[in-house]
Amino acid sequence: NAGVMQNPRHLVRRRGQEARLRCSPMKGHSHVYWYRQLPEEGLKFMVYLQKENIIDESGMPKERFSAEFPKEGPSILRIQQVVRGDSAAYFCASSADSLNTEAFFGQGTRLTVV
Amino acid sequence: DQQVKQNSPSLSVQEGRISILNCDYTNSMFDYFLWYKKYPAEGPTFLISISSIKDKNEDGRFTVFLNKSAKHLSLHIVPSQPGDSAVYFCAARETSGSRLTFGEGTQLTVNP
Repeated sequence: NAGVMQNPRHLVRRRGQEARLRCSPMKGHSHVYWYRQLPEEGLKFMVYLQKENIIDESGMPKERFSAEFPKEGPSILRIQQVVRGDSAAYFCASSADSLNTEAFFGQGTRLTVV
Repeated sequence: DQQVKQNSPSLSVQEGRISILNCDYTNSMFDYFLWYKKYPAEGPTFLISISSIKDKNEDGRFTVFLNKSAKHLSLHIVPSQPGDSAVYFCAARETSGSRLTFGEGTQLTVNP
């Protein structure tokens, strides 16, 4: 049973480009969460999705960031017109239920904006 | 507004001794607490959790204690092993929510 898969592991983008981060949850998990970790900080919640629905996006920046979890395929976190401050590790987690009693994390995508 | 705080950025202990990692929270709506371990360049790995209806949960070398009145929890690792060296994150979840709120993490180093 494969764990949570994130790709790419490392992503370098120039300022103004778009970044697309992918997350495939564990088999049987339909709840996906995205977190961001800035250098020297803890993980900050961004968005919680179920298949085809955004449940809680209260942690998402108001502009340039969007997320989806389509019926088929991975969850995508999209960052448009990236800026240097977007450089961070982005982690995806999945769980089998909405209680999130034991969320399993992927290895993360390290985004570097140059 | 840091609702979950880990005041010690780092902790160093000798192999075989006890490691105690502390975590404080301010949100009274938190009812479920988790500890994660993280190695460099990897995602957090779930370690142990505790519900607010309990004050202790034990799993092998790991024990989590919860003091609701003080809004404080701690993770005890005994005996500590060099492989335990990692960053440990405390996380909390509200009664009505699914999102986790994380502390800043504590770097544990276990010296052989």
